[in-house]
Amino acid sequence: AQSVTQLGSHVSVSEGALVLLRCNYSSSVPPYLFWYVQYPNQGLQLLLKYTSAATLVKGINGFEAEFKKSETSFHLTKPSAHMSDAAEYFCAVIRRDPGGGNKLTFGTGTQLKVEL
Amino acid sequence: ETGVTQSPTHLIKTRGQQVTLRCSSQSGHNTVSWYQQALGQGPQFIFQYYREEENGRGNFPPRFSGLQFPNYSSELNVNALELDDSALYLCASSLGTRAYEQYFGPGTRLTVT
Repeated sequence: AQSVTQLGSHVSVSEGALVLLRCNYSSSVPPYLFWYVQYPNQGLQLLLKYTSAATLVKGINGFEAEFKKSETSFHLTKPSAHMSDAAEYFCAVIRRDPGGGNKLTFGTGTQLKVEL
Repeated sequence: ETGVTQSPTHLIKTRGQQVTLRCSSQSGHNTVSWYQQALGQGPQFIFQYYREEENGRGNFPPRFSGLQFPNYSSELNVNALELDDSALYLCASSLGTRAYEQYFGPGTRLTVT
């Protein structure tokens, strides 16, 4: 079964510092991986996705993620944190049921705090 | 192009009652998926609807049911509400069941007392 594990439920960085949010996946087949962001009292917004093309994926708001098969990882990074990046971030993998459609399986989330 | 909308925004119900949540998919999207997000957790897949038929279901009891209408909008119905049903319910639409990108609505916050 395909699943993702997010390491660290809370991450705190200083404004301007590197953001690194960790995600490891478990999949018996090449996975399709996603990062979503959720601001307080809002739905989920897609940051970026990996669908077996380039291993380094660039997303919105300056975020990027690198797919590393050898490490089964898909960590999210941003070179310089901004106060507006404070939110909850979810890693997700597509699960395709036989005869069915695509369903997202999410990690438990990482709350990012950005401090002055 | 309008995004995914959900109604109501917030809802308070009593244990044992029934509730209906509504979702309008993004323009042109024919597939709707519903997720439950408990406090402090990631969203959990409830079920997906495509062409008015259920197209896959997560680990939720039968008292969670849904509908999709010809205009692709959808409803989530929950009967015999339990306290643990308190959560944010998210609707996501996509173009086809095998689309990689799902677009989420803002959610409905359900509180069961």
